[in-house]
Amino acid sequence: GAVVSQHPSWVICKSGTSVKIECRSLDFQATTMFWYRQFPKQSLMLMATSNEGSKATYEQGVEKDKFLINHASLTLSTLTVTSAHPEDSSFYICSARRQGMELEAFFGQGTRLTVV
Amino acid sequence: DAKTTQPTSMDCAEGRAANLPCNHSTISGNEYVYWYRQIHSQGPQYIIHGLKNNETNEMASLIITEDRKSSTLILPHATLRDTAVYYCIVRVVSAGNKLTFGGGTRVLVKP
Repeated sequence: GAVVSQHPSWVICKSGTSVKIECRSLDFQATTMFWYRQFPKQSLMLMATSNEGSKATYEQGVEKDKFLINHASLTLSTLTVTSAHPEDSSFYICSARRQGMELEAFFGQGTRLTVV
Repeated sequence: DAKTTQPTSMDCAEGRAANLPCNHSTISGNEYVYWYRQIHSQGPQYIIHGLKNNETNEMASLIITEDRKSSTLILPHATLRDTAVYYCIVRVVSAGNKLTFGGGTRVLVKP
């Protein structure tokens, strides 16, 4: 149990276009989801915390208008990178916390975004 | 959340125990110690967590010092598939509390 799935696993898009990444908790309800970004040879950097039914909380320095997060249900959160540029190319990872079980967080397999 | 300090990298021999240290000298009484690992190009994988007592599961053992200022993750019989970056994180357990990743230790298991 406790599987978190991201889609797509990888995506290539043209500069200026928008890309949507989905994060689903397959077998549990996730009240809180987290979005991370990871550049090559670096650690994971938290971008935002997403709570079901409310606005996401963004970390300092993360543009909320550029990285749109929606958490419309207890099993789905989406991250949309708007007007993507080559510097947005990165590995995006989501994490979900199971409702009532805050001790553990489960991670998706990640989405590699390449903007050309 | 308290900051952690880990060695940047370490090598270990296949079949031997791998001991990964972590310092968290500013840890608070209500903060847990978590270990995750990340294999190349994958999402982090939960390994183990603990508060005060030593913990063991099918993947690893976690040894926490009595003063809780440091801990050691033990992989009892390292395999080549254990090659990964290992992250030690301390955090307060609450619904919205986030996991903040440091640099981690890059572990290379050699034949």
